Amino acid sequence: QSALTQPPSVSGSPGQSITISCSGSSSDVGNYNFVSWYQQHPGKAPKLMIYEVTKRPSGTSNRFSGSKSGNTASLTISGLQAEDEADYYCCSYRGGDSFAFVFGTGTTVTVL
Amino acid sequence: QVQLVQSESELKSPGASVKVSCKTSGYSITDYAMNWVRQAPGQGLEWMGWINTNTGKPTYARGFTGRFVFSLDTSVSTAYLQISSLKTDDTAVYYCARDNGGDFDFDYWGQGTLVTVSS
Repeated sequence: QSALTQPPSVSGSPGQSITISCSGSSSDVGNYNFVSWYQQHPGKAPKLMIYEVTKRPSGTSNRFSGSKSGNTASLTISGLQAEDEADYYCCSYRGGDSFAFVFGTGTTVTVL
Repeated sequence: QVQLVQSESELKSPGASVKVSCKTSGYSITDYAMNWVRQAPGQGLEWMGWINTNTGKPTYARGFTGRFVFSLDTSVSTAYLQISSLKTDDTAVYYCARDNGGDFDFDYWGQGTLVTVSS
């Protein structure tokens, strides 16, 4: 099953805003509002940052926001901080003939 | 508080089997489905499938059928991933991840178990 497409890397200076895109298809991102985003620091388990496209779990900074347009979802980090430097993965429910999830290819965020 | 604690790293030879455990606490294991996710060295996350913790029925993603088995022991609140006929390509960190009760996301994760397959 093909992964969702993310840019390999995105960078920004402290205080700036960055956006990570997640491109899918009408079988996943485009047809379901079940897109989630995960942050992963080196050697650590992924952490849920956004679910159902735009919702933040309790404890997630409001500097993180999600959106979707057509087959592409996006994660925006505003007021970039050094601690935001990590890998980020999108994930979508994929419908069809079987229940499935698909992750994105992953994006490394670098704080300059 | 909710915790998922996985078993320690394993070093196996090609052709052997391995069983990874994921012990849950802080909630009833039968209340939330459990997923398994693989991450090969330096690579991204890959969804392997899930197990219905009420019925014990597993669902496997494409590419994870045949040698991969999800199971449960609800008496000890633990989910298991067994991989047989190990190949060097199976070298990866394996994570268990709790399904967020119908929101179609993974709200709690185990710390990961590194399985290394090498002769």
